[in-house]
Amino acid sequence: QVHMVESGGGVVQPARSLRLSCAASGFTFSSFGMHWVRQAPGKGLEWVAVIWYDGSTKYYEDSVKGRFTISRDNSKNTVYLQMNSLRAEDTAVYYCAREGDGGSLDYWGQGTLVTVSS
Amino acid sequence: DIQMTQSPSTLSASVGDRVTITCRASHSISNWLAWYQQKPGRAPKVLIYKASNLENGVPSRFSGSGSGTEFTLTISSLQPDDIATYYCQQYNNWYTFGQGTKLEIK
Repeated sequence: QVHMVESGGGVVQPARSLRLSCAASGFTFSSFGMHWVRQAPGKGLEWVAVIWYDGSTKYYEDSVKGRFTISRDNSKNTVYLQMNSLRAEDTAVYYCAREGDGGSLDYWGQGTLVTVSS
Repeated sequence: DIQMTQSPSTLSASVGDRVTITCRASHSISNWLAWYQQKPGRAPKVLIYKASNLENGVPSRFSGSGSGTEFTLTISSLQPDDIATYYCQQYNNWYTFGQGTKLEIK
């Protein structure tokens, strides 16, 4: 069955970098767009970034443009989120999610917590 | 950018009640709208896609309707397991979530 596992979260100082990974299994990874969505503690969901199935198109939420980079390795069934110049307001649980045929996010990982603090 | 506004922010209802949550888009999004359920400490789960299509495995008491700028999620008979926060999301012009509706049992 479809399964996605995020990793790479942790505590990081402001202005530093972190790379998140999301390993997927149970489906043809190279056929699906992949997203990152985050949720600050006690807050709602915030969409972060998307990468198309072949990596040809990427799009970012305004507050992370120029700081975050989404990428994928279809040979490893993995999507990444490189986060640079981290800020306190980037503190959140980061989820990866698959974009299903209907356009919604039909499968989600369990999330990985990123805490930006000095 | 398209803004999504949900109402109410919090809803208290009794088991067996019919519950309706509304989502309004700042611009027309056709039917490119999904609804998600999130329970504390868990990842979100999709309930409805393309405004009115029930995701496989989701109980039939959930339904969605609307198009353009106004959408609703309806639970026909509230069950204790439905206690959660519900989010709408547009995917007509990139992606935006609503702020969420927290559903509580009265």
